[in-house]
Amino acid sequence: AQTVTQSQPEMSVQEAETVTLSCTYDTSESNYYLFWYKQPPSRQMILVIRQEAYKQQNATENRFSVNFQKAAKSFSLKISDSQLGDTAMYFCAFMKPTGANSKLTFGKGITLSVRP
Amino acid sequence: GAVVSQHPSWVICKSGTSVKIECRSLDFQATTMFWYRQFPKQSLMLMATSNEGSKATYEQGVEKDKFLINHASLTLSTLTVTSAHPEDSSFYICSAPPTSGRLYNEQFFGPGTRLTVL
Repeated sequence: AQTVTQSQPEMSVQEAETVTLSCTYDTSESNYYLFWYKQPPSRQMILVIRQEAYKQQNATENRFSVNFQKAAKSFSLKISDSQLGDTAMYFCAFMKPTGANSKLTFGKGITLSVRP
Repeated sequence: GAVVSQHPSWVICKSGTSVKIECRSLDFQATTMFWYRQFPKQSLMLMATSNEGSKATYEQGVEKDKFLINHASLTLSTLTVTSAHPEDSSFYICSAPPTSGRLYNEQFFGPGTRLTVL
């Protein structure tokens, strides 16, 4: 079974600064996907970024980028130029692609607060 | 992108009554939908996998008779909380991966339903 660990329950960052959220996972699979989801106060889950394990290049989406270390089973999210709208819970998630029944395994999440 | 809706967004019911929550994929077909439960400041807990045209698969510890799931079409899954009690009060979220297309390996989430049982 896969596990996803987010050991930091809360973080705070000043607006316009950079913050890194940590995530580690454990799996015996070689092919899988990793995701970061954002859940703002509205509680709508929003996909921030996704990484395919077979791709060595780290995924980036505008101000969001990941540091994917497959051997270390680490998948951290870097948010650059933090904005007030980035305040949310962030969940790291793992998925083994098995077709339509592919389940997501979530970490406990981290609450990020962006200070004005 | 792909859109998933949930109805209702918020429901209050009396203890002992049943509540039905709908999850719809609006612009794609989904043979599978997932139902989660989330308590405040906690992670999403997978309750069950809903399969179109067949029985749902429940996670360990989830009562099948209490949380009835029906996946009647390729765009609709329903979760019925039967004989609801205050401890069933929670936030329920559904998600769906498109059956095909370039978004095949992604899941799209509904906005959630807040259930309060008095």
